[in-house]
Amino acid sequence: SQQGEEDPQALSIQEGENATMNCSYKTSINNLQWYRQNSGRGLVHLILIRSNEREKHSGRLRVTLDTSKKSSSLLITASRAADTASYFCATADRGSTLGRLYFGRGTQLTVWP
Amino acid sequence: GAGVSQSPRYKVAKRGQDVALRCDPISGHVSLFWYQQALGQGPEFLTYFQNEAQLDKSGLPSDRFFAERPEGSVSTLKIQRTQQEDSAVYLCASSLEEDYGYTFGSGTRLTVV
Repeated sequence: SQQGEEDPQALSIQEGENATMNCSYKTSINNLQWYRQNSGRGLVHLILIRSNEREKHSGRLRVTLDTSKKSSSLLITASRAADTASYFCATADRGSTLGRLYFGRGTQLTVWP
Repeated sequence: GAGVSQSPRYKVAKRGQDVALRCDPISGHVSLFWYQQALGQGPEFLTYFQNEAQLDKSGLPSDRFFAERPEGSVSTLKIQRTQQEDSAVYLCASSLEEDYGYTFGSGTRLTVV
């Protein structure tokens, strides 16, 4: 069963704009991860944030985690056409098999040149 | 190798046929996961190996699904008597440790006709 839920389901923006995607989840977690998937391809790991962290940066990516609200956000700054993909959040839950991930349904991001 | 390799890339099976999907993880990666991704959905957990030990197979949908990793490296996911609802992309992921992001393969797209 799927644990995370991304919002919005689809997002369409122009190159240069920022893209923000949100993820809500239900249980206590060890960490939360964001992945990107280009059409017909496997998932690419973007960033991992642990339950005791609040914010993390990687290049143009910024991830926040609010464990009290059970939510996370992924911000992509200065978006490019190459950022067009589906973005998934995945949680590693406490009490679950160590490392097992629960994915949401994803946000489809389209960046227009 | 440089990444996780899965074969075949595409597989068309007649209903009732047995199939075997192969995953070559990154050399030295201890953890190996199999996920199933239906069209328009996020990946769903199937099973997890730590070296050659299958520590969690609770995600396997039925006893027609079987996975092995006999020498702690290459893994095979076998589906017996395939049915139409087995049509999906099967993703393999590996990691050095459980609390790390995973490297996914490109997946095997299985279509049962």
